[in-house]
Amino acid sequence: QVQLQESGPGLVKPSETLSLTCTVSGGSISSSFWYWIRQPPGKGLEWIGYGYYSGTTSYNPSLKSRVTISVDTPKNQFSLKLRSVTAADTAVYYCASLNSGDFKFDSWGQGTLVTVSS
Amino acid sequence: QSALTQPRSVSGSPGQSVTISCTGTTSDVGAYNYVSWYQHHPGKAPKLMIYDVSKRPSGVPDRFSGSKSGNTASLTISGLQAEDEADYYCCSYAGSYTSWVFGGGTKLTVL
Repeated sequence: QVQLQESGPGLVKPSETLSLTCTVSGGSISSSFWYWIRQPPGKGLEWIGYGYYSGTTSYNPSLKSRVTISVDTPKNQFSLKLRSVTAADTAVYYCASLNSGDFKFDSWGQGTLVTVSS
Repeated sequence: QSALTQPRSVSGSPGQSVTISCTGTTSDVGAYNYVSWYQHHPGKAPKLMIYDVSKRPSGVPDRFSGSKSGNTASLTISGLQAEDEADYYCCSYAGSYTSWVFGGGTKLTVL
């Protein structure tokens, strides 16, 4: 199993862009789909989208207009950008991996809390 | 409100069994045998416990089992141990458009 670690600012101002990076260790970034999943305080998990090393992406329809996920193969990292954030985007953000052909999230990061506030 | 419905909390004494339900619809749990369960201790990375409804990854004790009937999936933990106390989340594939739906999570307390 790979190890995943999220990094990025813990505080973002309303209307700005939330940017997070997930560093992959112990495996190749070319071998899986790379997901971002979030959990607002007191609520359940919500998938945001995924990226693949080839450039393929897919996003949750509810967030699609504001999200970009990209994979940086040389750095073994993938990133999330969420534009025009509001307080509703305050959440713990997790990165996770899913192998091609599977329907399970094998590895997760510990999560990072991002608060949207002025 | 989460797409999949789980009880907010369950509890049991050491050695007992508990079952956590996860209710979806004919578009997710009822449509696909791709339900997975995750154990989450606060501050740690969630851990895959069950996938494809009833399969266990290597290293997960056989005290953990999964099943499904219609639109409801279940996670059963037998022989409860103190370290099982955690939050548990279910997840289902929901097709190429919606893709993934999760439950709101269930807090398991070992009394």
